[in-house]
Amino acid sequence: AQSVTQLGSHVSVSEGALVLLRCNYSSSVPPYLFWYVQYPNQGLQLLLKYTSAATLVKGINGFEAEFKKSETSFHLTKPSAHMSDAAEYFCAVSGAGGYNKLIFGAGTRLAVHP
Amino acid sequence: GAGVSQSPSNKVTEKGKDVELRCDPISGHTALYWYRQSLGQGLEFLIYFQGNSAPDKSGLPSDRFSAERTGGSVSTLTIQRTQQEDSAVYLCASSLVGLKGQGTEAFFGQGTRLTVV
Repeated sequence: AQSVTQLGSHVSVSEGALVLLRCNYSSSVPPYLFWYVQYPNQGLQLLLKYTSAATLVKGINGFEAEFKKSETSFHLTKPSAHMSDAAEYFCAVSGAGGYNKLIFGAGTRLAVHP
Repeated sequence: GAGVSQSPSNKVTEKGKDVELRCDPISGHTALYWYRQSLGQGLEFLIYFQGNSAPDKSGLPSDRFSAERTGGSVSTLTIQRTQQEDSAVYLCASSLVGLKGQGTEAFFGQGTRLTVV
């Protein structure tokens, strides 16, 4: 069975500050991990993914995430927040085996203030 | 098509009516998913298709909900006797399945906003 926990339903940062969105997963098989972003009234867009290659994954818009097996974590970071980063962020896990159901966390809404 | 297409984009229906939501996945994507996103909630998994079969329909909330997929392509999610609690955005996604069976990222449609009045 797989599950995802995102700590903090709302995160607020100042423009230019570090963004840290937390994701912990549980998986009975080697996981594939994803971060998606959803802007208001839009669909979900993939930010980055981990599929057992490099543990530090770089995505679009300056975001990156590090897979830490010992901590079962896949936290999303960005060194300097922009106003345009305000959105909802979802962490997701799927199995590396033949079963590919994507399980999502509850989401974290990021607010960026001047 | 270039992306996952869902129709209609908005649907308002009266309580008790049946509705059909359509998803047209990216050509060649064998995996298809339906999710529900309610106000203030995360993404709730409904059903997963691999080709035309649904190995996991554990997320369908009641027997009023059903889905099918034909020709390994278009999928329809049907909600019978709609209730107000069915109001939500219904999202469809599709993905490739790799040679070793591993999944790749899912591409999402813009969703269908269902309002039951």
